[in-house]
Amino acid sequence: SQKIEQNSEALNIQEGKTATLTCNYTNYSPAYLQWYRQDPGRGPVFLLLIRENEKEKRKERLKVTFDTTLKQSLFHITASQPADSATYLCALRANTGNQFYFGTGTSLTVIP
Amino acid sequence: DAGVIQSPRHEVTEMGQEVTLRCKPISGHDYLFWYRQTMMRGLELLIYFNNNVPIDDSGMPEDRFSAKMPNASFSTLKIQPSEPRDSAVYFCASSPRVAGAVGQYFGPGTRLTVT
Repeated sequence: SQKIEQNSEALNIQEGKTATLTCNYTNYSPAYLQWYRQDPGRGPVFLLLIRENEKEKRKERLKVTFDTTLKQSLFHITASQPADSATYLCALRANTGNQFYFGTGTSLTVIP
Repeated sequence: DAGVIQSPRHEVTEMGQEVTLRCKPISGHDYLFWYRQTMMRGLELLIYFNNNVPIDDSGMPEDRFSAKMPNASFSTLKIQPSEPRDSAVYFCASSPRVAGAVGQYFGPGTRLTVT
């Protein structure tokens, strides 16, 4: 069965440091990988998308890498701020079929 | 744009009752998705539509669940009869163009409690 694993433990980092979140997947080849942010009581908000033929994508302080050999994506937030505190979800769409799969998310807390 | 609109925001019902959740996608978006989120299972895709046509309903847990999209601006997810294990937050999301190639826009969710 399809499986997506994100950092199971909550991540606490000091303001100004770089936060790195991990998304590992098994059993299929994703066509696209997406990262979302979710705040308590709200729906996920789309942040970044990376395609299977891309190694890296950047948007302001955010950077996503995609290693199809390792079956892993890393999500980096540089110069982190307390406002970055949230749960971050990765999601994949397989290149066969139309299913979307979400990870269970990693809770990030940026400490002032 | 108002974003994806869902109603109601909260629903409390008794086991055995029918529940109907509603969603209005962002205008111009061709794809509409229904998800369920629980602590144990995370965010699960239930069904999605393209141009009002159901494309994949393999995530619908059982026959008690049904979804419709009668037009481009409205969709419903119905549970009949409801059970306590259906308690979760249900999200509707919409997306333009090719699903997966762009991000999905999520609504605020409906928190369903079945007692």
